[in-house]
Amino acid sequence: QKEVEQNSGPLSVPEGAIASLNCTYSDRVSQSFFWYRQYSGKSPELIMSIYSNGDKEDGRFTAQLNKASQYVSLLIRDSQPSDSATYLCAVRSNSGYALNFGKGTSLLVTP
Amino acid sequence: DGGITQSPKYLFRKEGQNVTLSCEQNLNHDAMYWYRQDPGQGLRLIYYSQIVNDFQKGDIAEGYSVSREKKESFPLTVTSAQKNPTAFYLCASSSWDRGLNTEAFFGQGTRLTVV
Repeated sequence: QKEVEQNSGPLSVPEGAIASLNCTYSDRVSQSFFWYRQYSGKSPELIMSIYSNGDKEDGRFTAQLNKASQYVSLLIRDSQPSDSATYLCAVRSNSGYALNFGKGTSLLVTP
Repeated sequence: DGGITQSPKYLFRKEGQNVTLSCEQNLNHDAMYWYRQDPGQGLRLIYYSQIVNDFQKGDIAEGYSVSREKKESFPLTVTSAQKNPTAFYLCASSSWDRGLNTEAFFGQGTRLTVV
């Protein structure tokens, strides 16, 4: 079973702070990594994708990947109350086509 | 507008009934997927299809069936054999032009409730 693990939270950060969300995965041959944001009652929305070791920045979001440690993270700078949502980590193995999801981390940004 | 359309948004099923959830995409994506989400849980894969007339079981396929007769459409039938069908059902699609390095995008979901 290919596991994707996330801390369920809730992670609470004050407005303007950096939120750090973490994800570990068990399948060493995993190749593609994605972060989705899901508001309550809504479908997941893609935020970031990352395929190579290192950092990838897009606006206030930075994804970090370390394949040796089987670890991927998402940093949200200058957090806003509108960032309050559940963040889902998804992993695709090079032996499969579908995404495996973690259970998500609930983020609460307080004004 | 390009996108993935799921219908209906809400669906109520009586015990013993089969119901079919619709998923249509106009993104010209090759691959389509069905996931199930229970409260406080992540997404679990039911079925996926990479090409027309071909599909594979995911982790929780029992009690579900699918078809892929057209590239644009991937309907999911929840049969009476599915003992606990109440959940949020999500359809997704992705292209395959960059192989594994392609993002998947989701429809707005169908919330199924057994009454």
